[in-house]
Amino acid sequence: GQNIDQPTEMTATEGAIVQINCTYQTSGFNGLFWYQQHAGEAPTFLSYNVLDGLEEKGRFSSFLSRSKGYSYLLLKELQMKDSASYLCAVRTPSASKIIFGSGTRLSIRP
Amino acid sequence: GAVVSQHPSRVICKSGTSVKIECRSLDFQATTMFWYRQFPKQSLMLMATSNEGSKATYEQGVEKDKFLINHASLTLSTLTVTSAHPEDSSFYICSATTSDRGRETQYFGPGTRLLVL
Repeated sequence: GQNIDQPTEMTATEGAIVQINCTYQTSGFNGLFWYQQHAGEAPTFLSYNVLDGLEEKGRFSSFLSRSKGYSYLLLKELQMKDSASYLCAVRTPSASKIIFGSGTRLSIRP
Repeated sequence: GAVVSQHPSRVICKSGTSVKIECRSLDFQATTMFWYRQFPKQSLMLMATSNEGSKATYEQGVEKDKFLINHASLTLSTLTVTSAHPEDSSFYICSATTSDRGRETQYFGPGTRLLVL
């Protein structure tokens, strides 16, 4: 079966750093995505990890450990506009399907 | 990044009618598109994989006769919700894959909000 776990909700302070964790157990692995989704809108692509390690892109970084089935998304210098849901998703070998976790709702307080 | 459009963005219909949603890749060709459904405060649930020129592959529990998918060209896939009922009210999102700097990435359309009365 497919199982992707991430915390339901998190709160952080403007200007701070927050780490959103994701663990997965899937039948096969072809890469892990992080998406940002604001309420009422479609998800937007943030990052894609297929090899172990940290990938940095501006204020956002994503880390992957395939042996541990673990990833995290790190957001630095938080801004109010970062309040959104963050979706962890795994691509499976089967027809390149992407399976989504339940998402983490991040609230930023001033 | 690549652009995927959906039409309509919102639709309200009466119970029992059928609704067609279009998904287009605007600046690239997509041999595979995906259809997702998202209920309020829930994550995206994959409904089906749409393959150009062949039948769609449906996820377990998704009725293929109720959710008709047609992938007529490399830039267009359509989802038709047949005989819609209030429980079909949801946010429907399509996506298409393309290679971005050597990496296959999935881009999402803006979504279609369906309300069945």
